[in-house]
Amino acid sequence: DTEVTQTPKHLVMGMTNKKSLKCEQHMGHRAMYWYKQKAKKPPELMFVYSYEKLSINESVPSRFSPECPNSSLLNLHLHALQPEDSALYLCASSQEPSTGELFFGEGSRLTVL
Amino acid sequence: GQNIDQPTEMTATEGAIVQINCTYQTSGFNGLFWYQQHAGEAPTFLSYNVLDGLEEKGRFSSFLSRSKGYSYLLLKELQMKDSASYLCAVDTNAGKSTFGDGTTLTVKP
Repeated sequence: DTEVTQTPKHLVMGMTNKKSLKCEQHMGHRAMYWYKQKAKKPPELMFVYSYEKLSINESVPSRFSPECPNSSLLNLHLHALQPEDSALYLCASSQEPSTGELFFGEGSRLTVL
Repeated sequence: GQNIDQPTEMTATEGAIVQINCTYQTSGFNGLFWYQQHAGEAPTFLSYNVLDGLEEKGRFSSFLSRSKGYSYLLLKELQMKDSASYLCAVDTNAGKSTFGDGTTLTVKP
């Protein structure tokens, strides 16, 4: 299994809603990442988990809250988002932190109304 | 900080060869990735260069010069399906990869 699976593929939410994005990998990778990608822009790193611990937070607003329940799962909890947060949210994993290729999921396309 | 530059757009003809350049300025450099991203899809890995020189993988080759802060991706025998965005990403010892803005390649018949 060489896949990173993300759910949901599409999500529409209001500014007062609470929702979560989920990511799963079964490759035994020890690093997992959340990226945000706006149209025609590159992926921007949000968070890095290394061995299930948050190792990098790229000054992301607190309305985004990551969680790593175990080595295979990564969640991104969303609360009180703004319309400008609408984007493609990509989860990725790598075998070890800070090295090796990133395996990306297909992304969750988020629209905030 | 990091500065990664690549051309915004390129156009080439089916069957031709195209070279996409990437220059970077960074500290703690580990290596350089190239990813391909088709519209509406996730990026997929193409290559990773750590040492200077050319690495060939089928129709795609990637070159790195660490002293010059320069890399290129070479695509041979272009096919229509190669139309995509090509992302250069710098891997550093800070534990993360930073992406350039990407080069949108259009392959025409």
